[in-house]
Amino acid sequence: AQKITQTQPGMFVQEKEAVTLDCTYDTSDPSYGLFWYKQPSSGEMIFLIYQGSYDQQNATEGRYSLNFQKARKSANLVISASQLGDSAMYFCAMREVRTGNQFYFGTGTSLTVIP
Amino acid sequence: DAGVIQSPRHEVTEMGQEVTLRCKPISGHNSLFWYRQTMMRGLELLIYFNNNVPIDDSGMPEDRFSAKMPNASFSTLKIQPSEPRDSAVYFCASSFRGDYSNQPQHFGDGTRLSIL
Repeated sequence: AQKITQTQPGMFVQEKEAVTLDCTYDTSDPSYGLFWYKQPSSGEMIFLIYQGSYDQQNATEGRYSLNFQKARKSANLVISASQLGDSAMYFCAMREVRTGNQFYFGTGTSLTVIP
Repeated sequence: DAGVIQSPRHEVTEMGQEVTLRCKPISGHNSLFWYRQTMMRGLELLIYFNNNVPIDDSGMPEDRFSAKMPNASFSTLKIQPSEPRDSAVYFCASSFRGDYSNQPQHFGDGTRLSIL
């Protein structure tokens, strides 16, 4: 079974609108972390936001927030007030504490912000 | 602070040649990961090390690929002999491995490898 599933290969959003990128995960480890990365066309992988399995509050970092629904095993990334520079690939990832630090990445979602 | 440093940034070579990719992780990080990224296969984990010891190399495509981490500040990924299908962007990433889940991986800028 896939550890991380991103079902949206491509998404479009109007500039200044909000967009939600979906991510579901599969684990039996009670202690895990969820991460989102951005990969612009220049190629670098940029860490955006983290959510821990025991965190009670949803994580936020500027215009990024993580909609964490533990029972549903989903960790959707919400980008508010989209900007042209947000056009990129976005990867969801998970780290299970039990497995000694292996990270699992999803297949990514390509986001295009339309002016 | 210096991030993960990879070299070279670009490599173009002919098939059959040996290719060596290098990585310097962030100081203090004790886990290191090698990934390959292609359009067809996405981001693939090749191998990762904890405290310089290879933990999982099940993603290494075949015997032509080998990786070493002789010390905490240096790792190499070697392809010998190289083939055109090895053309990809190779990323190195490092992380701090602890008892908590909150340490992200930090990626280098990648090596864009083209095998002619």
